[in-house]
Amino acid sequence: SQQGEEDPQALSIQEGENATMNCSYKTSINNLQWYRQNSGRGLVHLILIRSNEREKHSGRLRVTLDTSKKSSSLLITASRAADTASYFCATVSRGSRLTFGEGTQLTVNP
Amino acid sequence: EAGVAQSPRYKIIEKRQSVAFWCNPISGHATLYWYQQILGQGPKLLIQFQNNGVVDDSQLPKDRFSAERLKGVDSTLKIQPAKLEDSAVYLCASSQPGTMNTGELFFGEGSRLTVL
Repeated sequence: SQQGEEDPQALSIQEGENATMNCSYKTSINNLQWYRQNSGRGLVHLILIRSNEREKHSGRLRVTLDTSKKSSSLLITASRAADTASYFCATVSRGSRLTFGEGTQLTVNP
Repeated sequence: EAGVAQSPRYKIIEKRQSVAFWCNPISGHATLYWYQQILGQGPKLLIQFQNNGVVDDSQLPKDRFSAERLKGVDSTLKIQPAKLEDSAVYLCASSQPGTMNTGELFFGEGSRLTVL
């Protein structure tokens, strides 16, 4: 079964707006990762946040982690049409495999 | 640095036929993963190798799926006989030594299988 669940399933915004995607998980984790997948392509790693970290930035990406709520969010600021893709969270628990959620489909309209 | 190579990119077969996918990970990456991604879903791990040994194959349908990584480098995933529900993208990924299950995965472009 999938560990992470992304919300919303689909998100459509205008270029320049911010996009926020959420991920909830069930069991304690070692780290949480976000990946992007363009249509028909493989997944690309975006950012990794460890269980003892609360926030991390990378360029226009901001990831937060709340272990008490078992949730994470990915914020993409000043979105561009090229950000159109599916975004997946993936969690690693102690002694367990990296498990992906079902993804959020982001569409950025020019 | 060359990325994860996969072939073929596309394959169409009839049900009950067999198919094989090949993956060559990034040089030096000890851990290799095969994922199945059904349309509209997230990737699901089928099998994970550490060098040429199997670390996790708990979600591999062993009655029809097999995988090997004989020399600890490239890997082959086989499906025999294929079923309609095997239609999916088969993604290969690798990770750097010492980061198994903790670090980032590097994915290939995937092999899209259609079973008719």
